[in-house]
Amino acid sequence: GAVVSQHPSWVICKSGTSVKIECRSLDFQATTMFWYRQFPKQSLMLMATSNEGSKATYEQGVEKDKFLINHASLTLSTLTVTSAHPEDSSFYICSARRGPGGSEAFFGQGTRLTVV
Amino acid sequence: GNSVTQMEGPVTLSEEAFLTINCTYTATGYPSLFWYVQYPGEGLQLLLKATKADDKGSNKGFEATYRKETTSFHLEKGSVQVSDSAVYFCALSDRRGSQGNLIFGKGTKLSVKP
Repeated sequence: GAVVSQHPSWVICKSGTSVKIECRSLDFQATTMFWYRQFPKQSLMLMATSNEGSKATYEQGVEKDKFLINHASLTLSTLTVTSAHPEDSSFYICSARRGPGGSEAFFGQGTRLTVV
Repeated sequence: GNSVTQMEGPVTLSEEAFLTINCTYTATGYPSLFWYVQYPGEGLQLLLKATKADDKGSNKGFEATYRKETTSFHLEKGSVQVSDSAVYFCALSDRRGSQGNLIFGKGTKLSVKP
């Protein structure tokens, strides 16, 4: 299977600062990438869908100005949590899809964000 | 709206025991159903899938059958191994065959003891 690498695996930041999480498809070109958030003992919740070269589509209730998503190339998408607060502490997971609908999506290992 | 409910863990079994992890879903239309596995320190991996009613997905000794009448997609394995210890997620996609827009269950942690 294809490999998706997420970096960092974990990060601790101070309240009010911004944190950037990277998601890279290492051996394929990802036309679409997805960002999920998972709270303890909860499901993965889709935050946004991004297609290379265009603006991300955010799910209802997700603040686009707080969670900035950039998908500037076919192998890299970034999620920036701006002005982080403790309630943003969570597990963030990305996935990448190689082709149009019908193709398998591959997941990164996730990033544990803790805001103190 | 669409949703997935799976049994809460953790589930602890001895090696060679029989495994069932229950998963039921609520969806309109014709969803595709998936089981993902997440081994410690790794990303989610697709374990198996089924795209229509009565389909059986299978991989690595795991099986799940798409039951439309009971809206279920239970995961089973006849004889678990220590290496099967992981978190298992049931998921559905509301577009047939697509894994893009997935709705996940909460995950079930499985621990297999030697």
